Amino acid sequence: RKEVEQDPGPFNVPEGATVAFNCTYSNSASQSFFWYRQDCRKEPKLLMSVYSSGNEDGRFTAQLNRASQYISLLIRDSKLSDSATYLCVVNMGAGRAGSYQLTFGKGTKLSVIP
Amino acid sequence: DAGVIQSPRHEVTEMGQEVTLRCKPISGHDYLFWYRQTMMRGLELLIYFNNNVPIDDSGMPEDRFSAKMPNASFSTLKIQPSEPRDSAVYFCASSFDTEYEQYFGPGTRLTVT
Repeated sequence: RKEVEQDPGPFNVPEGATVAFNCTYSNSASQSFFWYRQDCRKEPKLLMSVYSSGNEDGRFTAQLNRASQYISLLIRDSKLSDSATYLCVVNMGAGRAGSYQLTFGKGTKLSVIP
Repeated sequence: DAGVIQSPRHEVTEMGQEVTLRCKPISGHDYLFWYRQTMMRGLELLIYFNNNVPIDDSGMPEDRFSAKMPNASFSTLKIQPSEPRDSAVYFCASSFDTEYEQYFGPGTRLTVT
């Protein structure tokens, strides 16, 4: 089983639609979770952290389900500018000698259509 | 702040040549990360440094890859000799701590022919 799995998409949605992405992770000891956004031929940028209680930032809502080991991202009222690849990121905790392991999913591509 | 700076932005080289990628992290960030991104494997962590010291290099694919951080404002990733399968986008990122946001540089697009 891959460590962090995402549906690669693409998700093609009309403007104004609501779209949801899911991400599953394999390591139950994972400690922190994030969603990053990556525009075409650009670097990844942090979209939002994911907290145990769930969190919202404007049109974006992130949820964490530790029991089922998945994370979700909900985008409401999609805009053309939301078109990008969304990367699920999991900090799997200390590896050897106190190091940490940040693992990126391969991303889900979203295209918002006029 | 200028953000994370990487050079070169594009590199095309022939198999067997040495390639050196450079990174300047954001001032004050204690952590520096090197990643590689390909369509097949996505974004992979190669190595990271804390206060200029390599902490985990388990992601470095093989001995052809080496990374250094001689001071807080500069790091290099070297591939010698390069191979076509090394073709990818290499990102450098920095952060205050492991739990904080990582800021990525614009990446170096490497093509090995």
